[in-house]
Order: sequence, then structure tokens, then C-alpha cells
Amino acid sequence: GAGVSQSPRYKVAKRGQDVALRCDPISGHVSLFWYQQALGQGPEFLTYFQNEAQLDKSGLPSDRFFAERPEGSVSTLKIQRTQQEDSAVYLCASSLAVDDEQYFGPGTRLTVT
Amino acid sequence: QQPVQSPQAVILREGEDAVINCSSSKALYSVHWYRQKHGEAPVFLMILLKGGEQKGHEKISASFNEKKQQSSLYLTASQLSYSGTYFCGTTSLPMYSGGGADGLTFGKGTHLIIQP
Repeated sequence: GAGVSQSPRYKVAKRGQDVALRCDPISGHVSLFWYQQALGQGPEFLTYFQNEAQLDKSGLPSDRFFAERPEGSVSTLKIQRTQQEDSAVYLCASSLAVDDEQYFGPGTRLTVT
Repeated sequence: QQPVQSPQAVILREGEDAVINCSSSKALYSVHWYRQKHGEAPVFLMILLKGGEQKGHEKISASFNEKKQQSSLYLTASQLSYSGTYFCGTTSLPMYSGGGADGLTFGKGTHLIIQP
């Protein structure tokens, strides 16, 4: 079956621009997670949704980061006024249930110039 | 707090065995193991929960010592396809328990290279 998909796969933004990253989870997966992965590091948790409810946003690094999942399926991570330190791979993962295995998408590589 | 993985890197000949360790300074509820190849998504290998429940691929085995807050991943008779970076991700509480971050806290990874 189809896995988690993310778009775009690559995004180059000039400092100060806003970007929107999309995640299509596996159909029927209740939980959706966003992670940020810097080069050579493990993924770092950003935020978590259960259906359309954002239950945890403790990992969002600043108020420039915003995520939504309005209908409980597709999710968008928005970064306003991008900074160079935002350059990373943004990974989306979904799971069928809470505390279940997470299936990751291929990620969006964001480069801020 | 980020779990600590060891070793940082290991090089094996095809067919050899390896053990990758993950330890935490906090009490653990679950440990998740993933393998990531360069430029690709992390791929699920194993989940171990407090209390002994495990779920994962048949050819992968792992242990979870709740008292020592440690987990180990055992790779036997390694194949070339096993090459990649292995990450452990941990939770200290059941997700959505209101106690803190609901995502996984990942270690820095262990780089595994399998040579023919």
C-alpha cells in the first residue's frame, strides 16, 4: 500500500520567506508526527496530532513554526520568516495508534539561503 | 534527555554479528529502533514496550532492560543490506498521557558499514 508521502522533496527559500511543507499520512493512521533532522543527527520531535487535534507542540523551536491537520488526514508544517538555522530535513511520520510503530515519509530538505 | 547510543560506528564483514546499545538516564516506557540509509526515510525495525511487549521484523531481535534503562539491538549474520545508520527512539511515558513530549526522543545514531 501507499506509504507516507511528503512534498516538496526539496525546497530552497531565501531568508525571510515563508514556506509550507505537506505530509500525506498512511490512510487510517490516527497519529501524525513532525520531526526535524539536522545533518548527521537523529530526528528531533516537533509536534504531534491525534486526528485533527494537536496534542503536543512542545518541540516547535519558535512561534515562527506552525502546524495544522484540519481534517485529520493531510498535515501542513508552516515556517514563517525562515532563518538559516531552519535548514534541515523535515520528516513526517504516522502511526495507526498511539504508542504504535511510526512510519516515516521521505522528508523535505529545506535549505534557507 | 537524548538517549546515548554505542558504538558510534562499526564496520563488519558480511556474515558477522553486531550489537548496538541504547541507554537513557530517564526511566523508559518504550524503545523504538529504526534504520536509515543516506537520503532515505527511517525504516521501522522494532518496538519494545515496558512490560515485555515487542513487535518487529522476524530477522531482528532486541532486548529491553527496564531496570537499567537500556536496550540492545542484535544483528546476526549481517548482510550488505544492513548497512546504514541505526537510531533508537525512546519515550518515558505512554503517549498522550499528559506528561510531556509525545514524540520519540532519538539518539545520535550508530553508523553500520557491512563490507563484502
